[in-house]
Amino acid sequence: GAGVSQSPRYKVAKRGQDVALRCDPISGHVSLFWYQQALGQGPEFLTYFQNEAQLDKSGLPSDRFFAERPEGSVSTLKIQRTQQEDSAVYLCASSQGGRLEGYGYTFGSGTRLTVV
Amino acid sequence: AQKVTQAQTEISVVEKEDVTLDCVYETRDTTYYLFWYKQPPSGELVFLIRRNSFDEQNEISGRYSWNFQKSTSSFNFTITASQVVDSAVYFCALSEDNYGQNFVFGPGTRLSVLP
Repeated sequence: GAGVSQSPRYKVAKRGQDVALRCDPISGHVSLFWYQQALGQGPEFLTYFQNEAQLDKSGLPSDRFFAERPEGSVSTLKIQRTQQEDSAVYLCASSQGGRLEGYGYTFGSGTRLTVV
Repeated sequence: AQKVTQAQTEISVVEKEDVTLDCVYETRDTTYYLFWYKQPPSGELVFLIRRNSFDEQNEISGRYSWNFQKSTSSFNFTITASQVVDSAVYFCALSEDNYGQNFVFGPGTRLSVLP
């Protein structure tokens, strides 16, 4: 597609529920990133994929967070046993190569997760 | 570790006024990359500019201009003749490598341009 697509756009989960957030990067983009943006704050890095390889997951806040990109295109961020502090916008971004291009990343519009 | 500070949490201006958004960064690397992104109410982050640490030339793009000063570790962003459509949250960001793995955002500045 023309841009990075994320679904769902909004998700309300009951505390303790598992959720799965999807990211469709720009076709052919090698690198894919997940960020968490709490209300009123800047995005914070969660994890990075180069093709299907998860090269950095240092930003994942706990072992309840898991991300995968099995075929090197679509990625899913899964949060198990959601808690209220998981409420945030989850942003996905992709870039063409393993290197930053002149345009940095292309970001999706995010999934706003609210845990009640 | 790298850090980005945007001291202005919120700014309000009247249309056609000029406005400068401040960004101060910290890094121990000599090679790094600075960015500005715009986040309108729709939520996506829109790339505005990338600057590498070796290029201190100021840049102008239409009503937007950027002032990069290594001596003060600042990368300020000025909007000239602001318009209502400029209302958004603006993020300054820093990456210490060309692979983009250590990409740190500032807390953002919310700009409101009033008609």
